[in-house]
Amino acid sequence: EAGVAQSPRYKIIEKRQSVAFWCNPISGHATLYWYQQILGQGPKLLIQFQNNGVVDDSQLPKDRFSAERLKGVDSTLKIQPAKLEDSAVYLCASSLMGPTSNQPQHFGDGTRLSIL
Amino acid sequence: DAKTTQPPSMDCAEGRAANLPCNHSTISGNEYVYWYRQIHSQGPQYIIHGLKNNETNEMASLIITEDRKSSTLILPHATLRDTAVYYCIVSLRGTGNQFYFGTGTSLTVIP
Repeated sequence: EAGVAQSPRYKIIEKRQSVAFWCNPISGHATLYWYQQILGQGPKLLIQFQNNGVVDDSQLPKDRFSAERLKGVDSTLKIQPAKLEDSAVYLCASSLMGPTSNQPQHFGDGTRLSIL
Repeated sequence: DAKTTQPPSMDCAEGRAANLPCNHSTISGNEYVYWYRQIHSQGPQYIIHGLKNNETNEMASLIITEDRKSSTLILPHATLRDTAVYYCIVSLRGTGNQFYFGTGTSLTVIP
């Protein structure tokens, strides 16, 4: 089966600019996650969707980050305006079942964001 | 979610078994143990997960102690391609599998 697709693979912007990342989960996966991974650290969950609804966005800096999952399939994560500390890899993951499942998450290869 | 403790780095000779330990002393009864690995410039790759019983698949074996306070991931015949950061995660079923990654163990397989 096709894996989680993310684009772009790399992005370089200047601080205060805006940027968007796109994720296409594995077909049929109801749950979608966005993570931020800063160099040298493990991934940190930003937001979780179940179909097109938000399950958890407690770690999302809502003053500058936003995410949506229209129609319960693809998702976009946006940063506006970007700060230097947003330099990181942004990972998307999806899992087959809903919140009561133990199904593992499957990750894409991420978008590496560099802020100048 | 229970926190996990892993050694920051380990070496293993190519062809030998790699045994990666993980402590999760505050794990609760309905939390699963998951293992992932991350090769440079790639996303985390799922390896295996379990609740109480030992598990085995084509990639690895997972040994969970009877009290569930620790586990060991075993790569039976390590190859150079197994060089990666390995993450042990415990996750509460029922909260959407929210994963809290630590810093993992950096495994280097030596020729």
